Amino acid sequence: GAVVSQHPSRVICKSGTSVKIECRSLDFQATTMFWYRQFPKQSLMLMATSNEGSKATYEQGVEKDKFLINHASLTLSTLTVTSAHPEDSSFYICSASSTRGTEAFFGQGTRLTVV
Amino acid sequence: GENVEQHPSTLSVQEGDSAVIKCTYSDSASNYFPWYKQELGKRPQLIIDIRSNVGEKKDQRIAVTLNKTAKHFSLHITETQPEDSAVYFCAATLSGGSNYKLTFGKGTLLTVNP
Repeated sequence: GAVVSQHPSRVICKSGTSVKIECRSLDFQATTMFWYRQFPKQSLMLMATSNEGSKATYEQGVEKDKFLINHASLTLSTLTVTSAHPEDSSFYICSASSTRGTEAFFGQGTRLTVV
Repeated sequence: GENVEQHPSTLSVQEGDSAVIKCTYSDSASNYFPWYKQELGKRPQLIIDIRSNVGEKKDQRIAVTLNKTAKHFSLHITETQPEDSAVYFCAATLSGGSNYKLTFGKGTLLTVNP
């Protein structure tokens, strides 16, 4: 099956700093990628839709200036958490599908801890 | 937008018994309904999915049924084993091309007791 790789898998950062998470489709091109956030013992909540070559579409309640998304190529989308605070600590996970995809493929996820 | 409800939130069964998890969705346009198994700290793994043009799909011990009229779908696991213990999520979307924008249920923690 198609492979989606996410990096880093774990990151610890200080409050006020920014963290960049990468999501790559390794063997297919993805015009659309999705970013989800998962708090402990909760479900995956869609944060935004990342569109190659255009602005991301954010879900209601997600601050676009805090969670910067860049989809500069057909195989890479990045999520930058700016001015991170402890409440941003969560599991962030991306997904993507190829143009003729029959399912969504997920990255490994990134465990972000803000101290 | 789509809203997916999932029940139960926790389910405990004895090894060898069957487990059933149920989901309902709100958007009648949704046409793709996957089920994921997620172990702690790991990515969701697709275990089975169903599209709106069929009513049932089976893969070994796992089956999914879909009732479009009632807008609900269910996951059935037979002959459960301890390694089936995990959190299971249902999801729904209107899929097309590369668009798999999923709305997830809240999850079911399945525990299979030896």
